[in-house]
Amino acid sequence: SQTIHQWPATLVQPVGSPLSLECTVEGTSNPNLYWYRQAAGRGLQLLFYSVGIGQISSEVPQNLSASRPQDRQFILSSKKLLLSDSGFYLCACKQGSGNTIYFGEGSWLTVV
Amino acid sequence: AQRVTQPEKLLSVFKGAPVELKCNYSYSGSPELFWYVQYSRQRLQLLLRHISRESIKGFTADLNKGETSFHLKKPFAQEEDSAMYYCALRGYDTDKLIFGTGTRLQVFP
Repeated sequence: SQTIHQWPATLVQPVGSPLSLECTVEGTSNPNLYWYRQAAGRGLQLLFYSVGIGQISSEVPQNLSASRPQDRQFILSSKKLLLSDSGFYLCACKQGSGNTIYFGEGSWLTVV
Repeated sequence: AQRVTQPEKLLSVFKGAPVELKCNYSYSGSPELFWYVQYSRQRLQLLLRHISRESIKGFTADLNKGETSFHLKKPFAQEEDSAMYYCALRGYDTDKLIFGTGTRLQVFP
């Protein structure tokens, strides 16, 4: 079964600084990859998803971007963080033919 | 557009009481519905999906297309059921999984 690694687990960054959250997947090939944000009172919001290398779909306009440089690597970035970017970010993956989405342990981002 | 609504942010019950976590959805076609659960200090994980028609940890959920609902039910709640529960939807022609805002279930002894 798939294993998802996210890092860093916790991050405190000042406003205006850049961001890079990394997600890697083991145990599958050519997965669909997702970035979700879990913010208080707003549940799980889909930010980006990718069906292959270099293929990124953005779900909501925002200050963040995503990239997929390798099949099992998904990166969430920002050039300049805003206070509103604070939240819990979850990476998820789904094997192309499967029905189940698996989640990573998440990364806590606090923008101060 | 796909939308999932969980009207209750918090549901508190005593051990042994019945539980129903509500979920309504909006989708023009035939969706797949899921319930995910996040226990304290654990990662989000799949609880059950409607196509399996299974009971997991005593929980069941029936897809009601007429009412566009997928409520999660358990006849007798246990303390270990305390967690955050998310209802999710995936359209038949997409791999996007859309979540509701979640309901926190607290089961008191």
